[in-house]
Amino acid sequence: SQQGEEDPQALSIQEGENATMNCSYKTSINNLQWYRQNSGRGLVHLILIRSNEREKHSGRLRVTLDTSKKSSSLLITASRAADTASYFCATDSQGGSEKLVFGKGMKLTVNP
Amino acid sequence: DGGITQSPKYLFRKEGQNVTLSCEQNLNHDAMYWYRQDPGQGLRLIYYSQIVNDFQKGDIAEGYSVSREKKESFPLTVTSAQKNPTAFYLCASSPQARPQHFGDGTRLSIL
Repeated sequence: SQQGEEDPQALSIQEGENATMNCSYKTSINNLQWYRQNSGRGLVHLILIRSNEREKHSGRLRVTLDTSKKSSSLLITASRAADTASYFCATDSQGGSEKLVFGKGMKLTVNP
Repeated sequence: DGGITQSPKYLFRKEGQNVTLSCEQNLNHDAMYWYRQDPGQGLRLIYYSQIVNDFQKGDIAEGYSVSREKKESFPLTVTSAQKNPTAFYLCASSPQARPQHFGDGTRLSIL
């Protein structure tokens, strides 16, 4: 079962612009993670935000979490062509195992 | 360098054949996972293991089998019972309650 759903499914922007991706989920969580996948490669972990956190920053990344709306957003500022990739949100379940449930992903294209 | 190694990168299966995908990690992680990714889709969990000699089914375990005889290794066998095996298979590992580290995948196709 896929809990996270990213929105939009695809986004095309120009270098230097900001990119915002949204993720909605269904059940209560311990934390929410964002991953990036370059074409034909494995996923790379970007950032983790815990259920008691509302915002987190890492370099050009800013993640917010609204547990009342069961949603998260990932903002990439000053985008670069190298940010072109698919981005996935992943959630665990409260009281559960180490399993993560991934969304279907969002394809970001940054045009030079 | 520590990491996860998946092999082979490309694999072809004939009808009625079982094939085994390798996943090895030298990160000393307790948990390991196998995912299947279809084009334009997210990851679906096949099997996972939180400790040596123990593993649990994920959401789509039918037609697959695994073993966890060593901490470093978590091979996945795609059996002939899996009727639609063409996909990109990803292996991951993690320490307890920490983000997952992924290998670079094996692409399986049917001959």
